[in-house]
Amino acid sequence: KQEVTQIPAALSVPEGENLVLNCSFTDSAIYNLQWFRQDPGKGLTSLLLIQSSQREQTSGRLNASLDKSSGRSTLYIAASQPGDSATYLCAVPFSGGYNKLIFGAGTRLAVHP
Amino acid sequence: ETGVTQSPTHLIKTRGQQVTLRCSSQSGHNTVSWYQQALGQGPQFIFQYYREEENGRGNFPPRFSGLQFPNYSSELNVNALELDDSALYLCASSSPDRSIGQYFGPGTRLTVL
Repeated sequence: KQEVTQIPAALSVPEGENLVLNCSFTDSAIYNLQWFRQDPGKGLTSLLLIQSSQREQTSGRLNASLDKSSGRSTLYIAASQPGDSATYLCAVPFSGGYNKLIFGAGTRLAVHP
Repeated sequence: ETGVTQSPTHLIKTRGQQVTLRCSSQSGHNTVSWYQQALGQGPQFIFQYYREEENGRGNFPPRFSGLQFPNYSSELNVNALELDDSALYLCASSSPDRSIGQYFGPGTRLTVL
């Protein structure tokens, strides 16, 4: 059974720091891995989608890496800003007969000025 | 290209009542999934609809039911509401192709008193 874990659960940093958020999964037979951002009480915004054949994806100040063999992904945020404050969730597709996502509990990030 | 929309934004019900939540999928996507997110947790898969048929179901009781319409929009119905049903309900659209990823609406916040 696939399980997804995110560490740390919460993070508070001063503006300008470079950050690493971690995601691990127990079943390495994944199609891809998706990182999302969630503002309080809001829906999920897709940040990056890494296919199983890729090692990393970049979008602006965000870079996500994927190591299937070790069951890990990291989301790197460069030069953090107060506007980056949100919860970051990673998810992998279910390996069974239909396309559902299995989520971690998220990392709650606070970037203070 | 239109994104995923959900209605209503917020809803307050009392125990034992019934509720219907609605979702319009992103253009070009024929699969709709519903997730329940309790406070401080990652989203949990409720079920998925593809071509108007239920295509997979998570660990939710039968009082959670759904529909998908020919235009791929969808409804989530919950009967006999319980206090624990209070949560953010998220709709995601996708295709059966897992390489595409899933794209979420803004959610409906349901409060059961």
